Amino acid sequence: AQTIHQWPVAEIKAVGSPLSLGCTIKGKSSPNLYWYWQATGGTLQQLFYSITVGQVESVVQLNLSASRPKDDQFILSTEKLLLSHSGFYLCAWSLTGVFYEQYFGPGTRLTVL
Amino acid sequence: GDQVKQSPSALSLQEGTNSALRCNFSIATTTVQWFLQNPRGSLMNLFYLVPGTKENGRLKSTFNSKESYSTLHIRDAQLEDSGTYFCAAEGTGNYKYVFGAGTRLKVIA
Repeated sequence: AQTIHQWPVAEIKAVGSPLSLGCTIKGKSSPNLYWYWQATGGTLQQLFYSITVGQVESVVQLNLSASRPKDDQFILSTEKLLLSHSGFYLCAWSLTGVFYEQYFGPGTRLTVL
Repeated sequence: GDQVKQSPSALSLQEGTNSALRCNFSIATTTVQWFLQNPRGSLMNLFYLVPGTKENGRLKSTFNSKESYSTLHIRDAQLEDSGTYFCAAEGTGNYKYVFGAGTRLKVIA
């Protein structure tokens, strides 16, 4: 069975500080991977997707970057946090290829003060 | 304008009653997913649709690609159906997904 793990569960950070959020998928080879951001009470906005190791495409940047250093790992980061980065970050995976169902991780709640 | 317009934005249902949620798409949509988000933020997969209809227990969903909409029908609503329902449109195989604004459903006893 596939499992998707996100870390940390929650984070409180200062404006201007760096950030790194992680996502790991186990039990599935070469998945497509996605990052989403959700403001409190808002909808999900896709940020990035990756279809293979080392390759990441931006959908909406929001002064964030993403990397896929391993087949089962997806990292979201920034060197300088803004207040507007607060929210809920969700990682998702789907099977290799197009037109497959997405499955979401438990999310990371980020508060920027 | 909204690429995926979801309605209603909020809904209160008496336990045991029925309702329908809807998403209208103004972008080319190949597949649709429906999710239920609980208060902790976890997203539960409800349906993944190509044009057509699927049913699962008290839930039934239709995706009509010609008329660019999808519906989610809830029959005999239960307290555990409460949460926020999202639809998501997948376009032309470009790995991009657009979510609706969500429907906040509260089922009351």
